[in-house]
Amino acid sequence: GPKVLQIPSHQIIDMGQMVTLNCDPVSNHLYFYWYKQILGQQMEFLVNFYNGKVMEKSKLFKDQFSVERPDGSYFTLKIQPTALEDSAVYFCASSPNTDQDTQYFGPGTRLLVL
Amino acid sequence: GDSVTQTEGLVTVTEGLPVKLNCTYQTTYLTIAFFWYVQYLNEAPQVLLKSSTDNKRTEHQGFHATLHKSSSSFHLQKSSAQLSDSALYYCALSDYSNNRIFFGDGTQLVVKP
Repeated sequence: GPKVLQIPSHQIIDMGQMVTLNCDPVSNHLYFYWYKQILGQQMEFLVNFYNGKVMEKSKLFKDQFSVERPDGSYFTLKIQPTALEDSAVYFCASSPNTDQDTQYFGPGTRLLVL
Repeated sequence: GDSVTQTEGLVTVTEGLPVKLNCTYQTTYLTIAFFWYVQYLNEAPQVLLKSSTDNKRTEHQGFHATLHKSSSSFHLQKSSAQLSDSALYYCALSDYSNNRIFFGDGTQLVVKP
């Protein structure tokens, strides 16, 4: 099936540093998403993105978070500055369109903030 | 707003026996789609089933689910559980007004020999 790629697969950083998580969505998809999953807990929605803009974000999407997708490049999640509670697996997903399309998930980036 | 409820956090079943994972929902929208996603250990969630038609059975990989709008349910079932079915299962809902999917809390399925 369609593949979503995420780079890096693992990232360890010190608290207060900036981190950028990269997602390469399926090529013809228009909607992009980030989810956060703390170890042993359920996956939680962070934000969705369409046509260069954030469409909706959850309360977990703190002011330190930002997303963008410059033309032809990765869909990125930037955290600046990072906090200990940001340690989690971050999943990127994309879907072809709205209207109840299936979302395809990447393998996740495991972020550890020390 | 929309919400999805999965009542069991953990379901344990013996290999070869039937299994049922419950999912109920609340929504104010008439046009909705439902998903079951499965997440194997250290892997990304992937769609298992999708349905938007009331009272129509949907099947994939031995699992089946039927959307029942009358009871606001979309339970996942399998007649004979396999060891390889052990995973985290998410029920999810999408409506026309949002560009997002609402996930339930997930049910961890453990299949024992």
